[in-house]
Amino acid sequence: NAGVTQTPKFRVLKTGQSMTLLCAQDMNHEYMYWYRQDPGMGLRLIHYSVGEGTTAKGEVPDGYNVSRLKKQNFLLGLESAAPSQTSVYFCASSYSGTGDLGEQFFGPGTRLTVL
Amino acid sequence: QQQVKQSPQSLIVQKGGISIINCAYENTAFDYFPWYQQFPGKGPALLIAIRPDVSEKKEGRFTISFNKSAKQFSLHIMDSQPGDSATYFCAGTSNQGGKLIFGQGTELSVKP
Repeated sequence: NAGVTQTPKFRVLKTGQSMTLLCAQDMNHEYMYWYRQDPGMGLRLIHYSVGEGTTAKGEVPDGYNVSRLKKQNFLLGLESAAPSQTSVYFCASSYSGTGDLGEQFFGPGTRLTVL
Repeated sequence: QQQVKQSPQSLIVQKGGISIINCAYENTAFDYFPWYQQFPGKGPALLIAIRPDVSEKKEGRFTISFNKSAKQFSLHIMDSQPGDSATYFCAGTSNQGGKLIFGQGTELSVKP
């Protein structure tokens, strides 16, 4: 099992460019999440999904869009990148939303720099 | 609104010492409190978790102490080792949507 994988691992964008981050999981998890990690800010939830075809906003959704067309994939899009979106992005998945079955499994992260 | 506050931001401990990280939460609907461990360049991974109906949970050298009335919980790492050097995140979640709310993180360095 590969667990949670993220593509790409690194990316440099210019302000105003767009891109899509891909997250894939092979654990048949219902829940998937996108976080951003910034120094001193911890992990902040951008968007999440409780099942195929569903998405919901997290703490910091502005400037991002997501789609969950297939159960195993969760895409994070930046339509017009801004320097404030320079961060490390983590995808995670879980079987349930909370409790012992809510353990979130994280991918290795994508380091994004917006110039 | 930061619903989980974590301290200290960084911590240096000598090998064999006790590392203590504290967290306080605001949302009384939280019913599950996990701790995640993150090594440099890696994603976080679940370390240990506790429910509020239990005051303490121990797994090996790692112990969570929970004080429901004070809305505080802490992670104790006994006999700290250099291999424990990592960033630790506390978190809280409820069954209302299942979102994890993370603390700001504590960077632990264990000196040999």
